[in-house]
Amino acid sequence: QKEVEQNSGPLSVPEGAIASLNCTYSDRGSQSFFWYRQYSGKSPELIMFIYSNGDKEDGRFTAQLNKASQYVSLLIRDSQPSDSATYLCAVKNPGTASKLTFGTGTRLQVTL
Amino acid sequence: SAVISQKPSRDICQRGTSLTIQCQVDSQVTMMFWYRQQPGQSLTLIATANQGSEATYESGFVIDKFPISRPNLTFSTLTVSNMSPEDSSIYLCSVGSGTLGYTFGSGTRLTVV
Repeated sequence: QKEVEQNSGPLSVPEGAIASLNCTYSDRGSQSFFWYRQYSGKSPELIMFIYSNGDKEDGRFTAQLNKASQYVSLLIRDSQPSDSATYLCAVKNPGTASKLTFGTGTRLQVTL
Repeated sequence: SAVISQKPSRDICQRGTSLTIQCQVDSQVTMMFWYRQQPGQSLTLIATANQGSEATYESGFVIDKFPISRPNLTFSTLTVSNMSPEDSSIYLCSVGSGTLGYTFGSGTRLTVV
């Protein structure tokens, strides 16, 4: 079983719609969860992080965490073509020196 | 968040040779992380570099193949030794914390021919 799982996509949404990206993790003791955006040929860029159950909003982005169900999601409202990228979910493993485990990423395509 | 300068940005190397990648951070950090991203794949942690001690390597990565230096709190190097085409990847350094998130360098795209 993979430690961090994401649907590879591509997830295609029309411009202006809400994109919903999901991630599940296997270690129930995981504490911190991160969403990164990676454009082709570029390095990952941190979008948001979340520690507590519930929602965390930042502009058009909302991260949702449900520790009981071991999933974390990222919602992108009013999706724009510039949001087209691969979104990586990363989980900080408990009891380690800040080690992150990454999912394989979901490719998002926002269509005109 | 910290700003990381990573170089070279890309290189094409002959098999059997070595390449050293450098990362310079604009602030002092305790730990620096080295990742590999193979084509079409996600990021895999190679090792964690602490200043003043040996790097800690993840399963599947060894010091002889990926020696790391950490001479001070703002700088680290990763060497990819005795390269083969299977080493063709993007190599990334990263700094940060579990509370504030992690920042990545711009990456080094390595092609081994």
